[in-house]
Amino acid sequence: DAKTTQPTSMDCAEGRAANLPCNHSTISGNEYVYWYRQIHSQGPQYIIHGLKNNETNEMASLIITEDRKSSTLILPHATLRDTAVYYCIVLLNSGGSNYKLTFGKGTLLTVNP
Amino acid sequence: GAVVSQHPSRVICKSGTSVKIECRSLDFQATTMFWYRQFPKQSLMLMATSNEGSKATYEQGVEKDKFLINHASLTLSTLTVTSAHPEDSSFYICSASPSASKETQYFGPGTRLLVL
Repeated sequence: DAKTTQPTSMDCAEGRAANLPCNHSTISGNEYVYWYRQIHSQGPQYIIHGLKNNETNEMASLIITEDRKSSTLILPHATLRDTAVYYCIVLLNSGGSNYKLTFGKGTLLTVNP
Repeated sequence: GAVVSQHPSRVICKSGTSVKIECRSLDFQATTMFWYRQFPKQSLMLMATSNEGSKATYEQGVEKDKFLINHASLTLSTLTVTSAHPEDSSFYICSASPSASKETQYFGPGTRLLVL
């Protein structure tokens, strides 16, 4: 399994961009990088995923380094409602058609007014 | 799109009773559903993987006779905690993978179980 390393916590000012780093130096060529977040007492929410190219959707942008050993999730204009634990996960194909997510401790992002 | 619901959202039960939690994919078909458990201040731990029409695959250390999983249709999976005890009190979360996009999981809002 490719492991991920994230900072335990980060702070961001409301309205500013939040840049959340993730290291995954042992990622293999066919493993995707997924980002989820969990707001307190709720189920996780899918944010974005990518393989090699940078990706952008309505929630965030994902920047993956050329060697794929690290990535950064960018929330372009953080709001108070973006306060959550953000999980960077390298997707393990557990065989057949099942893809198992292994959640680490994630990064607690606190957006301050 | 990609909405997953859980019912109930919160349940309190007496020790020794059984509790059933439902997980539904509302706007897509899910060949695979997953059940997680989360204790306070900890991360999600996968309990089992459920494929429609077949037996669930349980993670190491999860008792299959205690946590019964049924995935009878492409939109419904149930988790039954049998003979619940206080140590089973936790936040139970399900997720579902669309049949057309098996890599992505969409999560339900969770069910908080308190066993007295």
